[in-house]
Amino acid sequence: GAVVSQHPSWVICKSGTSVKIECRSLDFQATTMFWYRQFPKQSLMLMATSNEGSKATYEQGVEKDKFLINHASLTLSTLTVTSAHPEDSSFYICSARGTSGITDTQYFGPGTRLTVL
Amino acid sequence: KQEVTQIPAALSVPEGENLVLNCSFTDSAIYNLQWFRQDPGKGLTSLLLIQSSQREQTSGRLNASLDKSSGRSTLYIAASQPGDSATYLCAVTHSGGSNYKLTFGKGTLLTVNP
Repeated sequence: GAVVSQHPSWVICKSGTSVKIECRSLDFQATTMFWYRQFPKQSLMLMATSNEGSKATYEQGVEKDKFLINHASLTLSTLTVTSAHPEDSSFYICSARGTSGITDTQYFGPGTRLTVL
Repeated sequence: KQEVTQIPAALSVPEGENLVLNCSFTDSAIYNLQWFRQDPGKGLTSLLLIQSSQREQTSGRLNASLDKSSGRSTLYIAASQPGDSATYLCAVTHSGGSNYKLTFGKGTLLTVNP
């Protein structure tokens, strides 16, 4: 149980284009989803927290107009990197927190590797 | 602001050796602490979760301890195997608030040599 998927697993795009990454909780409902970014040999840095049906809360230094987050249902959150540039190349990981049971546990997706040329 | 530090940054050991990974955090007001494993280019696998009221957790060859007052945790791996080679991440969940945000350390890259 408690499986989180991400799609796509990797994407290569040209500079200036927008890329959408999906995060789904497959067998549980997630009131809260988190988006992280990980640069090579660095730790995971929290970008934003999204609660179903409300606006995402962004961490300091993360541009909300560049990283658009939508959490329209209890099983799906999307991260759109708008007008991507090479410096946005990174590993993006989402996690989801359940609505019942052990709600203090985050379940992590497998990550999406974004490369911007 | 919570900061999580992991020492060493990298560790290389021969197969069969017992080893200890260290994690320290600056703010002891935590809800819980987790140890994760990350293989290259992959997501995270949760290994052990210790609630703030607990002292240790065990799973197979893994044992994690928590000393909240001193802001320290250790992950002990017994009889290491080449398959244990990965990056091990420590993360603390902030106490207070309702979103349970995690702060991660930079990880320890473990290599177990056959």
